[in-house]
Amino acid sequence: QKEVEQDPGPLSVPEGAIVSLNCTYSNSAFQYFMWYRQYSRKGPELLMYTYSSGNKEDGRFTAQVDKSSKYISLFIRDSQPSDSATYLCAMSRSGGGADGLTFGKGTHLIIQP
Amino acid sequence: GAVVSQHPSRVICKSGTSVKIECRSLDFQATTMFWYRQFPKQSLMLMATSNEGSKATYEQGVEKDKFLINHASLTLSTLTVTSAHPEDSSFYICSARFWGGPMNTEAFFGQGTRLTVV
Repeated sequence: QKEVEQDPGPLSVPEGAIVSLNCTYSNSAFQYFMWYRQYSRKGPELLMYTYSSGNKEDGRFTAQVDKSSKYISLFIRDSQPSDSATYLCAMSRSGGGADGLTFGKGTHLIIQP
Repeated sequence: GAVVSQHPSRVICKSGTSVKIECRSLDFQATTMFWYRQFPKQSLMLMATSNEGSKATYEQGVEKDKFLINHASLTLSTLTVTSAHPEDSSFYICSARFWGGPMNTEAFFGQGTRLTVV
């Protein structure tokens, strides 16, 4: 079993729809959870950062972490064509700067105008 | 956000030669730099972690003599793929983290380097 599982998609939805992206993981030592967005030929950029379980909202984006189920989600409201990208979940054991990240494969999201 | 510049973005080399990839943090001091590798349809996989002035720590299964990492300053880390072979063809990407302020836990990524060994 891979440490982090993420459906690679592609996931295609119409503009304005609510998008739900998910990852599951197996290592209970993960404490910090992140979502990155990656456009073609660019490096990943951080979207959301969450520590332990709970919800975090930033504009149209909401991140949820359920450590008991080892399940994290990213919701995008009022999706826009500019949201079309690959979304990567990532996690780490520590947030202290010394720990590398464990990534999912990434989900390719397409928002249809 | 902070800028991490990675160069070159794409390189083709002959089998048996060495290739150096540079990763620079342009507007902050990176206490720690990470090197990842991504094969097609696979996740970004951490190869090694380097702290400025120290030897890099390699993940299990990554050959330290093949992938030489130098982190001689707080703004520059290099990855040298020595005696490259076709199976080393992959997407290599660096990221950098720094301490201080509210952003001390974020990792900023370079643009990545597509290496093709022929």
